[in-house]
Amino acid sequence: SQTIHQWPATLVQPVGSPLSLECTVEGTSNPNLYWYRQAAGRGLQLLFYSVGIGQISSEVPQNLSASRPQDRQFILSSKKLLLSDSGFYLCAWSPPLDRVWQGYTFGSGTRLTVV
Amino acid sequence: GEDVEQSLFLSVREGDSSVINCTYTDSSSTYLYWYKQEPGAGLQLLTYIFSNMDMKQDQRLTVLLNKKDKHLSLRIADTQTGDSAIYFCAESRETGGFKTIFGAGTRLFVKA
Repeated sequence: SQTIHQWPATLVQPVGSPLSLECTVEGTSNPNLYWYRQAAGRGLQLLFYSVGIGQISSEVPQNLSASRPQDRQFILSSKKLLLSDSGFYLCAWSPPLDRVWQGYTFGSGTRLTVV
Repeated sequence: GEDVEQSLFLSVREGDSSVINCTYTDSSSTYLYWYKQEPGAGLQLLTYIFSNMDMKQDQRLTVLLNKKDKHLSLRIADTQTGDSAIYFCAESRETGGFKTIFGAGTRLFVKA
């Protein structure tokens, strides 16, 4: 069965510090991968998505970047965090087009607080 | 447009039925989904409906789709306190790729 791991679960970082959140998927190959941010009490904002190794699409210009060094690994990074980067970050994967009905599988999320 | 819209809050009494509504704008949507998010957790897919269907039932959950009005609803029968969560409506479309648009989520409060 497919599983998705996201870590860390919580993170408190000072303004100006770097960030690295990691997400890995097991039990599937060539997944579509996504990073979302959820502000408190609000909906999902798509940050990045990837359809393959080294292929990253950015949905919102910002202080963050993403990388996909391996097929089932997706990393969200920042060189210098801002207060506005605080939020709940969710990684997700989806199968290829022939299994669109399966929807997205989300990780358990990372609560980031920038102080 | 790519909007998926939902009301933000719904409050029901335990044992009553809950109906969460959603409207979407893209008529080319292929699949529509309902996800559930419990506090501090990721989203979990509850159910989906293909765009050529009008209704889908899965135990206490009933999904109704009105393609003409671009309206999707989720009915939860015999709502329990464990159903308290945020429910997200989402649509996907195959337009040379795979893109899913999520609504802002409806927070369901269940009163004992």
